[in-house]
Amino acid sequence: GQSLEQPSEVTAVEGAIVQINCTYQTSGFYGLSWYQQHDGGAPTFLSYNALDGLEETGRFSSFLSRSDSYGYLLLQELQMKDSASYFCAVRDSGGGADGLTFGKGTHLIIQP
Amino acid sequence: SQTIHQWPATLVQPVGSPLSLECTVEGTSNPNLYWYRQAAGRGLQLLFYSVGIGQISSEVPQNLSASRPQDRQFILSSKKLLLSDSGFYLCAWTQGNYGYTFGSGTRLTVV
Repeated sequence: GQSLEQPSEVTAVEGAIVQINCTYQTSGFYGLSWYQQHDGGAPTFLSYNALDGLEETGRFSSFLSRSDSYGYLLLQELQMKDSASYFCAVRDSGGGADGLTFGKGTHLIIQP
Repeated sequence: SQTIHQWPATLVQPVGSPLSLECTVEGTSNPNLYWYRQAAGRGLQLLFYSVGIGQISSEVPQNLSASRPQDRQFILSSKKLLLSDSGFYLCAWTQGNYGYTFGSGTRLTVV
């Protein structure tokens, strides 16, 4: 089966940089995705990494190391609106029709 | 542009009552459709997925069922709800571009 591990909670200061790590165990790995979910809302897609390396999209970057079964989401210049839960998810051959398996999420708390 | 609609937004149902949640997608054809459930403070659990009309695959055995009567319509049902069915139900679609688009969700409370 598939499993993903990420910290349950991370606290950071407004304007700072924070990194949310994710390790996974899966078979037939295709890629690692990141989603953001605000309280009471639906998850929204942030990024996808299929190959090793860093993908940058504005203030957010995502990194993948396939050999280490590890990835992270990097958030820069933190803003209060970044307070949310962040989920990593793997796309693998066991998911069916691009089905994703999600981690339990990291609650990011931004302090002023 | 593509949009996904899900309703109702909230629902309170007694134990043993039936359930029907509907999800429709606009602006695309032949999408892959998914039903996920999220328990309070937890991750998302894949319940069902569909690659086409009438094609349903279940990831987790439960007292829920899904149907896809039209290309862009996905329905989640139950004949008799259990307390453990409470949660946040999310419909999602993708066309294989690795990014899921989720509906706004239905918060179901079984009492």
